[in-house]
Order: sequence, then structure tokens, then C-alpha cells
Amino acid sequence: AQTVTQSQPEMSVQEAETVTLSCTYDTSENNYYLFWYKQPPSRQMILVIRQEAYKQQNATENRFSVNFQKAAKSFSLKISDSQLGDTAMYFCAFMNNNAGNMLTFGGGTRLMVKP
Amino acid sequence: DAGITQSPRHKVTETGTPVTLRCHQTENHRYMYWYRQDPGHGLRLIHYSYGVKDTDKGEVSDGYSVSRSKTEDFLLTLESATSSQTSVYFCAISESDRTQETQYFGPGTRLLVL
Repeated sequence: AQTVTQSQPEMSVQEAETVTLSCTYDTSENNYYLFWYKQPPSRQMILVIRQEAYKQQNATENRFSVNFQKAAKSFSLKISDSQLGDTAMYFCAFMNNNAGNMLTFGGGTRLMVKP
Repeated sequence: DAGITQSPRHKVTETGTPVTLRCHQTENHRYMYWYRQDPGHGLRLIHYSYGVKDTDKGEVSDGYSVSRSKTEDFLLTLESATSSQTSVYFCAISESDRTQETQYFGPGTRLLVL
């Protein structure tokens, strides 16, 4: 079974600054996907970024980028130029595509962006 | 938004009553999922479906059943609701492109069992 751990329950950052959210996971699989989802106060789950495990290049999406360290089983999210709208819960998730494409989630990090 | 709707969006019920939540998708995705979200936890998988009448259990399936008689609808039933099933329930679909799968979520249903 896979486990996903987010060790930072809460974080804060000043507007326009950069913040990094941590995520580690445990798996014996070699092929898998990793995701970061954002959940604002509306509770909608919004995909932020995704990473295929077989790709060495780190994924980027505008202000969002990841640092994927496969050997260390680490998948951190960096948010650059933080905006007030980035205030949300952030969840790291693991997908084993050999098991029904099910997602295993971490416990989440609550991010507050301060003006 | 991947064309996913959930109904009802909010429900209050009493312990021991049956409850059915509906997930509807408009884009013919094969895989559908039900998750629950509780404070201090991320989402946890209840059941999933990989086709019409094809379902399987997830991590927290006790007390829940599902049915999928049409591609577009995936129903989650609490046969006899308990207070421990008070939660926010999310439906998701799995979408494939050339390289990978991604799950997209519905808006959620808030269920309160008194």
C-alpha cells in the first residue's frame, strides 16, 4: 500500500514571495504519477500540477513547479510570486496506474498568503 | 470542469436512514470514484468503478455500496447512515491523454448524519 505524508499542517507566506510545500511518499512501484491539488474555501478540488515518475524533468505550470526526487521519494511544490488567491489547502496525491488509477492523498497543508 | 455534477449538494439525515448520493458525468469516462473527506485527512477512496456494473472497494468501503447501471451515473448508497459517515463526499472521474491519467473532481456533497 502507498502512503503519502505532508509534514507541514500549516504554512504562511507574504504576497509576492516564494513558498515550498513538502510531500514524501512510500511505494514499491516504479511507474506512478504524482499530483498536487488545491482546495480553496469553496471546497472544489482543483488540479495544480502533475508529474510522471518516469520523467526526470520537473513539471512546471506558470508560477507552480515541483522538485521531484524519485530516489528520495520526495515531491515538493514551489509557488512563486504568491498571490492572495493561492490561499487554500494543498494536497499531495499518488496514483498507481496498475491499481485502478486510484489516488492516495496526504493529509494536506493549509497555506495562508498574507498581504 | 470535466462535466461532473453531484446531487444533492447538501443533505441532513438521521441515523439509521438510507441515503443515496449521485454523481453524473457528461463525457463518457470509464473510471469513476467516490471519496470522503474528513478533518485532518485528505480524501480517502470509498469505492470506484471501471465500467458499467464493474465496481471495486477502496480504503474505507465499510457501510457503503455503489452501483453503476449507466456510464454517466455512479451512485453511492449508505444503507443505514451513522454519525461517523458525516463527511464531505467527492466524486471523481479519471481522464486519459496520450501520456497519463488525471482525476478531476465534482463539487462535493456535504452530508450531516444526526
